Amino acid sequence: AQKITQTQPGMFVQEKEAVTLDCTYDTSDPSYGLFWYKQPSSGEMIFLIYQGSYDQQNATEGRYSLNFQKARKSANLVISASQLGDSAMYFCAMREYYGNNRLAFGKGNQVVVIP
Amino acid sequence: DAGITQSPRHKVTETGTPVTLRCHQTENHRYMYWYRQDPGHGLRLIHYSYGVKDTDKGEVSDGYSVSRSKTEDFLLTLESATSSQTSVYFCAISEEGADSPLHFGNGTRLTVT
Repeated sequence: AQKITQTQPGMFVQEKEAVTLDCTYDTSDPSYGLFWYKQPSSGEMIFLIYQGSYDQQNATEGRYSLNFQKARKSANLVISASQLGDSAMYFCAMREYYGNNRLAFGKGNQVVVIP
Repeated sequence: DAGITQSPRHKVTETGTPVTLRCHQTENHRYMYWYRQDPGHGLRLIHYSYGVKDTDKGEVSDGYSVSRSKTEDFLLTLESATSSQTSVYFCAISEEGADSPLHFGNGTRLTVT
């Protein structure tokens, strides 16, 4: 069963605008971590931000923030003040405490920032 | 950046030949992973290792084997390459714990003709 769901089609966003990328997940493990990665056209996987299941506050990292709604099992990434360099694929991933330390990925969201 | 080196970066091989991809780390991390990335599928776990000589299967392990004889090296072998194994292969490393991110190598693009 798919544990991470990213269903948005490719998104176009105006430079300097904010964009929200949706991610829902499924787990019965009470302890887990949620991660977002960026993959630009050059192909490397870049770790952006982490949210723990017991964290009381939403994670933030520079222009990236995570809108964590535990009851709804969603962990949406918000990119503020988009820049041209934000054009990339974005992947949501989850690691369960009792899941043998494996990281399960969603299929990704394509973002294109237009000037 | 995490010290992860994948080799080769690109490879073209023929159907039926064995292929070995290498991942080398300098971070002394316990966990190492092999993923494949295909359009429309995201990243799928092939095999992973939680220590020297300790490995386990991921979701798409058929046709692949791995070995880890040293902490720093994790080898992925395609025993008899098929066209369906044409993909981009990523190695990743991490420390233990649900809060530890994976850090990825730059990937190996494999084409099986």
